[in-house]
Amino acid sequence: NAGVTQTPKFQVLKTGQSMTLQCAQDMNHEYMSWYRQDPGMGLRLIHYSVGAGITDQGEVPNGYNVSRSTTEDFPLRLLSAAPSQTSVYFCASSYEGNYEQYFGPGTRLTVT
Amino acid sequence: AQTVTQSQPEMSVQDAETVTLSCTYDTSENNYYLFWYKQPPSRQMILVIRQEAYKQQNATENRFSVNFQKAAKSFSLKISDSQLGDTAMYFCAFMKHDRPGNQFYFGTGTSLTVIP
Repeated sequence: NAGVTQTPKFQVLKTGQSMTLQCAQDMNHEYMSWYRQDPGMGLRLIHYSVGAGITDQGEVPNGYNVSRSTTEDFPLRLLSAAPSQTSVYFCASSYEGNYEQYFGPGTRLTVT
Repeated sequence: AQTVTQSQPEMSVQDAETVTLSCTYDTSENNYYLFWYKQPPSRQMILVIRQEAYKQQNATENRFSVNFQKAAKSFSLKISDSQLGDTAMYFCAFMKHDRPGNQFYFGTGTSLTVIP
């Protein structure tokens, strides 16, 4: 049972490039979320999903796209990276009735 | 929108001593959950303790306990017998009951250093 996995661990992008941050969980959790962590701002919710085929926006969705074709995977896409998207990104999963988030190890993204 | 405030950006404590981290929140909800998460230098987010708002009894987990004051909207974390391994960033988090997807609102964090 690997829990929540994220790839890559580190990434450097140039402004305007696109990329996808991968997230997978093997716990059969219906809920999955993406957060970004910035110094002095804590973690903020980008997008979340309550099940395959269902996604919604969080606090800071601009510049990011998500989709959820399977229960296990929840990729986060940056269509045109900007320096303001330099951050640490966390994927998390949970399930109805548990009220706890299980976090992945995070991806440190730098946009130059 | 919910807000979670941690007013202590940095704190330090001698090992074996006790330290209290503060957290306040703002909500009009009556049913919700509160959490403390620990983030050591490894960056992994680790659940320390959680509190259901409908429970009056304060949650405890070994050396960790909370002081939950619902009317004051306060949720402080007490760490007893501090150990070097407690050095980490600590985040307070809020979640509304029955919120789709279990969405969390986090505070800005308190960096705790345990001094040997």
